Amino acid sequence: QVQLQESGPGLVKPSETLSLTCSVSGDSISNYYWSWIRQPPGKGLEWIGYIYYSGSTNYNPSLKSRVTISVDTSKQQFSLKLSSVTAADTAVYYCARGVIGGSWMLDYFDYWGQGTLVTVSS
Amino acid sequence: QSALTQPASVSGSPGQSITISCTGTSSDVGGYNYVSWYQQHPGKAPKLMIYDVSNRPSGVSNRFSGSKSGNTASLTISGLQAEDEADYYCSSYTSSILYVFGTGTKVTVL
Repeated sequence: QVQLQESGPGLVKPSETLSLTCSVSGDSISNYYWSWIRQPPGKGLEWIGYIYYSGSTNYNPSLKSRVTISVDTSKQQFSLKLSSVTAADTAVYYCARGVIGGSWMLDYFDYWGQGTLVTVSS
Repeated sequence: QSALTQPASVSGSPGQSITISCTGTSSDVGGYNYVSWYQQHPGKAPKLMIYDVSNRPSGVSNRFSGSKSGNTASLTISGLQAEDEADYYCSSYTSSILYVFGTGTKVTVL
């Protein structure tokens, strides 16, 4: 059974960088689009971006200038960095396994972490 | 790219059927068969219920079904049960920003 677990600080100060790590177990980190998705309190889901095990990435254009996703295949982990955070970045952050459709399109997410709440506040 | 449009809420009595719509454009829902649906109970992570418009993952009840017509996808829940009360989100691949979720629908079992 594939399991994903997010870890990282639950509180980040405004203008600083949010850093989270997702640990994957139960399957190889290869051959999927490992993704980050967030959900502000009481609101809907927003796709942040994904990384392929080879290191290639794609990001939501609305966050692209502030986002970096990286992968460490030896540790079965991938990470999220979001810079210059504001209160608007307060959300539950989920990591998820993205299944690849035809023509290398992101199709759907079949496994999710439990989510971790990150609050941006001084 | 705006979120896909879903009704804010849908309700039904136990045993009834309900349908949730998800409206996009030809750049997302209408252009690709990469529409999926997720169920989210309060405080929990989303759970995949339907993928590729109408396919159910192993373990998901056959009371859940998906379809698509033009730029609108739909999720139907048949034989509504109390445990189906949750938020539901559609999603799709999109040629503009690569991936987009719907606005979400709260399902209430009366």
